[in-house]
Parts: sequence; C-alpha cells; structure tokens
Amino acid sequence: QKEVEQNSGPLSVPEGAIASLNCTYSDRGSQSFFWYRQYSGKSPELIMSIYSNGDKEDGRFTAQLNKASQYVSLLIRDSQPSDSATYLCAVNAGFQKLVFGTGTRLLVSP
Amino acid sequence: DGGITQSPKYLFRKEGQNVTLSCEQNLNHDAMYWYRQDPGQGLRLIYYSQIVNDFQKGDIAEGYSVSREKKESFPLTVTSAQKNPTAFYLCASSGPRDPQDTQYFGPGTRLTVL
Repeated sequence: QKEVEQNSGPLSVPEGAIASLNCTYSDRGSQSFFWYRQYSGKSPELIMSIYSNGDKEDGRFTAQLNKASQYVSLLIRDSQPSDSATYLCAVNAGFQKLVFGTGTRLLVSP
Repeated sequence: DGGITQSPKYLFRKEGQNVTLSCEQNLNHDAMYWYRQDPGQGLRLIYYSQIVNDFQKGDIAEGYSVSREKKESFPLTVTSAQKNPTAFYLCASSGPRDPQDTQYFGPGTRLTVL
C-alpha cells in the first residue's frame, strides 16, 4: 500500500513568518508530487507541482523535493491569515492516480 | 469558462435509497476521478476512468457504481449497499496538456444520510 504521511497539525505561525509543511512518501518510484490547499468546506485547489529534486518557487510558495529521502515540503513565505487552510500533499501512484496525505492544518495569526 | 461542475452541492439520502452525483467537465480531459473525503481524513479514491467507456475501481469502490458514456460526464451512484455514505464527494479530472498527473477538482457534493 503506497502511503503519504503528513503531520495533522495545527501548525501555528504568526503573520509574516515562514510556514514549513512536510510530507513523506513510501513509494521510491514516485515521479510527481503536488501540494493542494483546501479551505474548510471547499474543494482542494492546486498550489504547486514538482517533479525534480531541488526547489521550485512560485511567488510566496516554494516546493522542495528530495527523492533520496522520500521527502517533499512546502514553504510559505510572508504567511498571511488568508493562508490558513489545510494543505494536502499528493504523490503519483501510477496509471494517472494520486495518493493523498491526510493534510496539515495551518493557522496564521494576525 | 472551462472547469468542472458537480451537482447538487448538498444531497440528503434516506436509508435504502440509491442516489446519483453528477460530475461534468468542459476541459476536454480524458481522465476523471471520484474521491471521498471524511472529516479529518485525506481523499480516498472510489473509481477512476482514463477513457470513455472504461473505468476502474479505486481503493473503496464497494457500494458505489459509475458510468463513462461521454467524455464530459462521469456520474457516481451511491447505492444502498454503501453502509456509511455520509461524506464529502469530490470529482477531479486530468488531461494530456497539463503537467504530468495533475488533477483539478470540482466544488464537491456533500452527502448526508438521514
């Protein structure tokens, strides 16, 4: 069974700080990695995708991938109260399927 | 506007009833998916379809059925055999022009059993 693990949180950070969200996965053959943001009662929204080792930056968001350690992270710089949500990590599981973690709840306090 | 629509937004089912959740996309995506989300849990795959007239069971297919007669549509039926159907149901799709394996979600249907 392919697994994706995330700390459920909540992760609490003050406004303006860097939030660091982490995810580990079990399948060494995974090639595609995604971060989704989900507000309470809403559907997941794609934030970032990453396919190669290293960092990928998009605005205030940076995804980091380390395939040797089977570890993917999401950094949110200059965190805003509007970033308060649950962040889901997803990893490809072959045949165009994704396996999702249970999500980390982020709380950004003003 | 291209996107994925799901209806209804809220659905109430009596014990023993079958109900059908609608999912439509106009993104010209080949692949479509149904997930179930329970409070505090991640998304679990119910069924997926990579092409019209073909679909495969996901991890929790028991008590559910699907059809894929048109590229744009992938309805999910929750049958009376599903013992605990109260959940948030999410439809997603992915296409060849998007980065590999990327899935986009519809707004979801919240199903409650009375």
